[in-house]
Amino acid sequence: AQKVTQAQTEISVVEKEDVTLDCVYETRDTTYYLFWYKQPPSGELVFLIRRNSFDEQNEISGRYSWNFQKSTSSFNFTITASQVVDSAVYFCALSDYSGGYQKVTFGTGTKLQVIP
Amino acid sequence: GAVVSQHPSRVICKSGTSVKIECRSLDFQATTMFWYRQFPKKSLMLMATSNEGSKATYEQGVEKDKFLINHASLTLSTLTVTSAHPEDSSFYICSARALGTSGDEQYFGPGTRLTVT
Repeated sequence: AQKVTQAQTEISVVEKEDVTLDCVYETRDTTYYLFWYKQPPSGELVFLIRRNSFDEQNEISGRYSWNFQKSTSSFNFTITASQVVDSAVYFCALSDYSGGYQKVTFGTGTKLQVIP
Repeated sequence: GAVVSQHPSRVICKSGTSVKIECRSLDFQATTMFWYRQFPKKSLMLMATSNEGSKATYEQGVEKDKFLINHASLTLSTLTVTSAHPEDSSFYICSARALGTSGDEQYFGPGTRLTVT
């Protein structure tokens, strides 16, 4: 069965520090997609990135970067020079066809607090 | 990008009443919509998958008679919480998959916070 594990429940960092949010996934599918979403206190989910299982190239978008390692089934997210506005809950998610239909499974989330 | 709206954004209802939540894809057609539930400080749990014109597929443990889902058109899906009770209080989020795209393209609505008193 599919599973997404975000072992870090809460992380606090001081502004301008770098922080890495871990994500480990399990799936039996060979084709799948991985996502990161940000959920600020308002509750609305903000899409950050989507990566398919055949593309292991790391990606950088501004202060955000993602490290996809298929060998360890990990898809970690790093924020460089964190800012107070980065404070939110971050969810890693997996989309696959386990069970015969497309399904997105979310991790339990990591609450990031950036202290000024 | 594709926009999904939800209405209402917040609703408070009395125990025993029914509440309907709408999920609309504003600028694209959605063959499939998903409904999620999020308890406070918890992750999103998929409740059901609804395909336009057919019955919804519910996840294990979700009462289909309690959470009625209707996907009558390519741009609208509704979730009705019937005979709501305080334990149904939660944040409900829908997502929509665009017509003609692969299963990974899902766009999320802003969520509806339901409080049952």
